Amino acid sequence: KAGVTQTPRYLIKTRGQQVTLSCSPISGHRSVSWYQQTPGQGLQFLFEYFSETQRNKGNFPGRFSGRQFSNSRSEMNVSTLELGDSALYLCASSLDLHGGTQYFGPGTRLTVL
Amino acid sequence: GQQVMQIPQYQHVQEGEDFTTYCNSSTTLSNIQWYKQRPGGHPVFLIQLVKSGEVKKQKRLTFQFGEAKKNSSLHITATQTTDVGTYFCAGRGTGNQFYFGTGTSLTVIP
Repeated sequence: KAGVTQTPRYLIKTRGQQVTLSCSPISGHRSVSWYQQTPGQGLQFLFEYFSETQRNKGNFPGRFSGRQFSNSRSEMNVSTLELGDSALYLCASSLDLHGGTQYFGPGTRLTVL
Repeated sequence: GQQVMQIPQYQHVQEGEDFTTYCNSSTTLSNIQWYKQRPGGHPVFLIQLVKSGEVKKQKRLTFQFGEAKKNSSLHITATQTTDVGTYFCAGRGTGNQFYFGTGTSLTVIP
C-alpha cells in the first residue's frame, strides 16, 4: 500500500498570501488529521476530518481551515499568511475516527517571507 | 488548556547505556501512543497503550502507561546509534483532541 502523500513538499510564500496544502491518505483510511510542527511549539493539532466532516479542531485562528473530500483526500488552507506560520505541516491518516495508529506523511515545509 | 509534557527535553547517552523518557499529561488520556521522529523525517508510530498500568515491550523498548492514565514512560535498554531521534508521546484527552507531548531528543554517542 502506498503511504500518506502530501503536496507540495516545499513552499515559499510572502506575508499576506494564502496557501493550500494537500494530503492523500492511505487507501481505505477515512480519518485525516493535520498538525503544525515548529521548533518552538512542537507538534500542535490543527484539525481532524472523518467522512468529509470536521470532527475536532485545535486552538488555531480562523485563518486555518480545511476540508475533506468524498475520496478521503484532504486539503488545508491558510489565508493571510504571517511569518509565524512558517512550519512543517504534517498530515496523518488512520483507519477510523479516534482509532489506533496514525500514519504520517512526509509533510509540507512552508516558509513565509 | 491541556498539556502533555515530556522530560527530559534532550538526552545524550553513550552507546550501550539505557535511556528513559517520561510523559505527563495534565488530564486523563483515553490512550497513549508513542512515536519516533528521525532528524528530517516525520513521526513514525511505535506503539499504543490503552489500559491503566499496561506495560508493553518491543525488543529493547519498554512502554508503560500509568495507573491514573495521566503518565507514561518509554525505556530503551542498551541504546544503539539507530535509536537517535525525537520520541513523542501522544494521546486523546479533553474534547477528544489528540495531544502530542513536547518530545525528548535522544543523541547516542558511539
